Amino acid sequence: AQSVTQLDSQVPVFEEAPVELRCNYSSSVSVYLFWYVQYPNQGLQLLLKYLSGSTLVKGINGFEAEFNKSQTSFHLRKPSVHISDTAEYFCAVSGHGSSNTGKLIFGQGTTLQVKP
Amino acid sequence: NAGVTQTPKFQVLKTGQSMTLQCAQDMNHNSMYWYRQDPGMGLRLIYYSASEGTTDKGEVPNGYNVSRLNKREFSLRLESAAPSQTSVYFCASSALSWAGDNEKLFFGSGTQLSVL
Repeated sequence: AQSVTQLDSQVPVFEEAPVELRCNYSSSVSVYLFWYVQYPNQGLQLLLKYLSGSTLVKGINGFEAEFNKSQTSFHLRKPSVHISDTAEYFCAVSGHGSSNTGKLIFGQGTTLQVKP
Repeated sequence: NAGVTQTPKFQVLKTGQSMTLQCAQDMNHNSMYWYRQDPGMGLRLIYYSASEGTTDKGEVPNGYNVSRLNKREFSLRLESAAPSQTSVYFCASSALSWAGDNEKLFFGSGTQLSVL
């Protein structure tokens, strides 16, 4: 079984500042890792995903995340945030294998509040 | 592009009433999912359907039933609503790669359900 912990429930940051949203996971098998974003009153959209290969993954809207197997982490970063990045961000994990495809375990979510 | 369409967007029920949440996707996806989102708990999988004609329980199936009516449609039914089922419900779909690679989920915009 897999689990995900997002270490911050809310992250306030000023516009144009860098930001890091932290995510740790646990699993007894190899995993796929994802970050989803949810804008107000909308469904979730995929930001980026790690399946294999390079541990630094680049996504949409200037976000990137780094997979660290030894620390079981998958932190999300952006060097300079915009007001429009205000949203809730979810880290998610799925185990390898066709029986796990699409069955994501989500973290509790981190609300990113970008202030002018 | 419609993507994943959920109806209704809002619903208020009294305890003991029944209702069905509807979901349809126009992307010819094989897999469909129902999640519920509660504050501080992220998204939790209720039921999923890996392909037309099959359904399986997720993490929190109690109090719910589902029907995969055809490849496009996947409905969620509450037979006797309880206040604990007050939540935001999301339907999602994915192409489901049989090669074992993971596919991203496409989400609907959600149904906000209140049970009084």
